[in-house]
Amino acid sequence: ILNVEQSPQSLHVQEGDSTNFTCSFPSSNFYALHWYRWETAKSPEALFVMTLNGDEKKKGRISATLNTKEGYSYLYIKGSQPEDSATYLCAFVTGNQFYFGTGTSLTVIP
Amino acid sequence: EPEVTQTPSHQVTQMGQEVILRCVPISNHLYFYWYRQILGQKVEFLVSFYNNEISEKSEIFDDQFSVERPDGSNFTLKIRSTKLEDSAMYFCASSVLARNEQFFGPGTRLTVL
Repeated sequence: ILNVEQSPQSLHVQEGDSTNFTCSFPSSNFYALHWYRWETAKSPEALFVMTLNGDEKKKGRISATLNTKEGYSYLYIKGSQPEDSATYLCAFVTGNQFYFGTGTSLTVIP
Repeated sequence: EPEVTQTPSHQVTQMGQEVILRCVPISNHLYFYWYRQILGQKVEFLVSFYNNEISEKSEIFDDQFSVERPDGSNFTLKIRSTKLEDSAMYFCASSVLARNEQFFGPGTRLTVL
């Protein structure tokens, strides 16, 4: 069974704080790493698709980095806002299979 | 904005009954997926589908599961004889190309009694 771990499991931050969390995945048979944002009562929404070691991607205040050799990706949120509150999922892609982590639940306190 | 839709939003069934969960992927997408999430657990990959056939399936996707694209727009997941442990949220997703970002539907909550 392939293991994709995310940490921390949950996080509470004050509005305006910057934060980051981690996705760990196997360093072999890597094809891609996806990040999704999942708000309560909605469906997961794609943030980033990362394929190359050393990739850095940015969307507004959210950015992500990728290290395929050591098997981790970081997601950063700069200046967190209440609307950033959601569960952030990573998915490791190998072959045509997607392996999701358990997610990091972020709550931004106004 | 195009979106993936799923019906029904909630399905309640008796153990041993067959259920069909329906999805309408985004129209120009070529790859389709089913996932499930048992309450409190990870989202689990079930199957991917391309060009009218299964391209990959997980160990969860055993003989009681099947998928079909019956009419060029719908993408269905059939569970032949439901068990209590099939109770979960089932998500459909689609993507333009293999392994690209996926667009998820809102999910169907299946409750097996």
